[in-house]
Amino acid sequence: GAVVSQHPSRVICKSGTSVKIECRSLDFQATTMFWYRQFPKQSLMLMATSNEGSKATYEQGVEKDKFLINHASLTLSTLTVTSAHPEDSSFYICSAQDGMGGETQYFGPGTRLLVL
Amino acid sequence: GNSVTQMEGPVTLSEEAFLTINCTYTATGYPSLFWYVQYPGEGLQLLLKATKADDKGSNKGFEATYRKETTSFHLEKGSVQVSDSAVYFCALVPSGGYQKVTFGIGTKLQVIP
Repeated sequence: GAVVSQHPSRVICKSGTSVKIECRSLDFQATTMFWYRQFPKQSLMLMATSNEGSKATYEQGVEKDKFLINHASLTLSTLTVTSAHPEDSSFYICSAQDGMGGETQYFGPGTRLLVL
Repeated sequence: GNSVTQMEGPVTLSEEAFLTINCTYTATGYPSLFWYVQYPGEGLQLLLKATKADDKGSNKGFEATYRKETTSFHLEKGSVQVSDSAVYFCALVPSGGYQKVTFGIGTKLQVIP
């Protein structure tokens, strides 16, 4: 089946530093990937839609200069949290749709970010 | 807009009990419907899906039937196990190519021995 990986699975960083999270589709090409944020005991909040070779589309209220998204290839999208602050601590999850236009999104295992 | 309404948890059941988690949706046209499961500390895993009315999705003993007339996609399992303890999300994707997923709030299931 379709597999999506994320790296790292867990990261702890100091306030003010930047953190990059990678999302890869391992056995299919993903023209579109999505980045979500999940707060404890809550549902997923869509942050942005990442399209290969073009700019990401951000949801209302998400700072595009703080959460930089790059989708450089059909199997890789990255989310960089710039100048991280403790309030950015969260669980970040990516998902990918295969390039054949199917409706199913396959989710990565998530990245737990803790900013001290 | 699109929305998914899911019963709030937590739901606590004894092992081998029957499970139902209700899910209803609002959407135009014919969306695809999904159930995802999230185990503690992990990402979401696709549990089952249905893409058109009257379709039944099934996996690992779980079932859900796409009911257009009641706009529902209730999740059921005849006999739950402790290992089924997780958070279950109902979701929909509108028809027509690449579309955003709309999630329900998630229902936490706790199965006790």
